[in-house]
Amino acid sequence: GQSLEQPSEVTAVEGAIVQINCTYQTSGFYGLSWYQQHDGGAPTFLSYNGLDGLEETGRFSSFLSRSDSYGYLLLQELQMKDSASYFCAVGTGANNLFFGTGTRLTVIP
Amino acid sequence: DTAVSQTPKYLVTQMGNDKSIKCEQNLGHDTMYWYKQDSKKFLKIMFSYNNKELIINETVPNRFSPKSPDKAHLNLHINSLELGDSAVYFCASSQDNWAGDETQYFGPGTRLLVL
Repeated sequence: GQSLEQPSEVTAVEGAIVQINCTYQTSGFYGLSWYQQHDGGAPTFLSYNGLDGLEETGRFSSFLSRSDSYGYLLLQELQMKDSASYFCAVGTGANNLFFGTGTRLTVIP
Repeated sequence: DTAVSQTPKYLVTQMGNDKSIKCEQNLGHDTMYWYKQDSKKFLKIMFSYNNKELIINETVPNRFSPKSPDKAHLNLHINSLELGDSAVYFCASSQDNWAGDETQYFGPGTRLLVL
């Protein structure tokens, strides 16, 4: 079967750094993506890793290790507006993006 | 301009009814998708449609049928609605994407409640 494992909840202080991990086991692998979803909103794309290493986009960075079937999303200088759910997702081929169960991030003052 | 739009935003209906949700994208993308997000926020793909071919997720009951009049539209028709169909349904689109690795743009969602 296919699975993506993420922590269900993370709490962090405003201004701090938080890392959300994702481990995957899928039948195909065409890269790891991260999406953000605020309560009542739609998922929005944050970052993509097709190759091993770190990708940086502003305050957000994402890392991939294909040999370890592992990736993470790093959020720096946390802001209250970063409180949301974060999903890792694997492209598995055949037009399929397989999503993890999501991590609910709560940023506290 | 809205990139991916869905109607209706909210849908409340009785068990056993048939309903449709419409989706349109103005991004010129070739691939469109339907996702179901349940109460635990698990986001699961139901269908993808790439201009020429419909990929059906075999775990989806055949009461669900997607229809694409053209590549900018992918509608979802649901027959004989059941309580378990209550969820948020998201439409999404991406550029030609067999691998599933390209950025997907999601619509605002349709919140379906079956009573």
